[in-house]
Amino acid sequence: GAVVSQHPSRVICKSGTSVKIECRSLDFQATTMFWYRQFPKQSLMLMATSNEGSKATYEQGVEKDKFLINHASLTLSTLTVTSAHPEDSSFYICSATGTKGQYFGAGTRLSVL
Amino acid sequence: KQEVTQIPAALSVPEGENLVLNCSFTDSAIYNLQWFRQDPGKGLTSLLLIQSSQREQTSGRLNASLDKSSGRSTLYIAASQPGDSATYLCAVNVGSSTLGRLYFGRGTQLTVWP
Repeated sequence: GAVVSQHPSRVICKSGTSVKIECRSLDFQATTMFWYRQFPKQSLMLMATSNEGSKATYEQGVEKDKFLINHASLTLSTLTVTSAHPEDSSFYICSATGTKGQYFGAGTRLSVL
Repeated sequence: KQEVTQIPAALSVPEGENLVLNCSFTDSAIYNLQWFRQDPGKGLTSLLLIQSSQREQTSGRLNASLDKSSGRSTLYIAASQPGDSATYLCAVNVGSSTLGRLYFGRGTQLTVWP
């Protein structure tokens, strides 16, 4: 149980395009999902907390107009990187909160050319 | 602000050795602490979760301890195997429930060679 699916696993795009990443809780309902970003050999940094049916809460320094988060249902949250640039290249991971902790997706490797 | 530190940053050992990975955190007001495993380019797999009221948790060859007052946790890996090679991350939950945000350390990159 407690499976979180994240899609796509890898995306390569041109600078200026927008990229959408999906995070789904497959076998449980998650009122809260989290989005993290990880640079090489660095820790995971929380970007935002996504609550079903309400606006996401962004961490200090994270541009909400740049990283659009939608949590339309209890099993799906999406992160859209708008007008992506090379500095947005990173590993993005979502997590969903279950009864015993947070369960993580497999991550999305974004490369912006 | 909570800061999580993991020592060592990297560790390379021969198969069969017993290992200790260390994690320290600056604010002892935590809800729980988790140890994760991350394989290269992959997501996180939860290994052990210790509630703030607990002292340790065990799963197979893994044992994690928590000393909340001193802000420390250790992950003990017995009889290491090449398949244990991965990055191990420590994360503390500073909220009041499972919905609390996690603060991660940078991880310990473990290599176990045959």
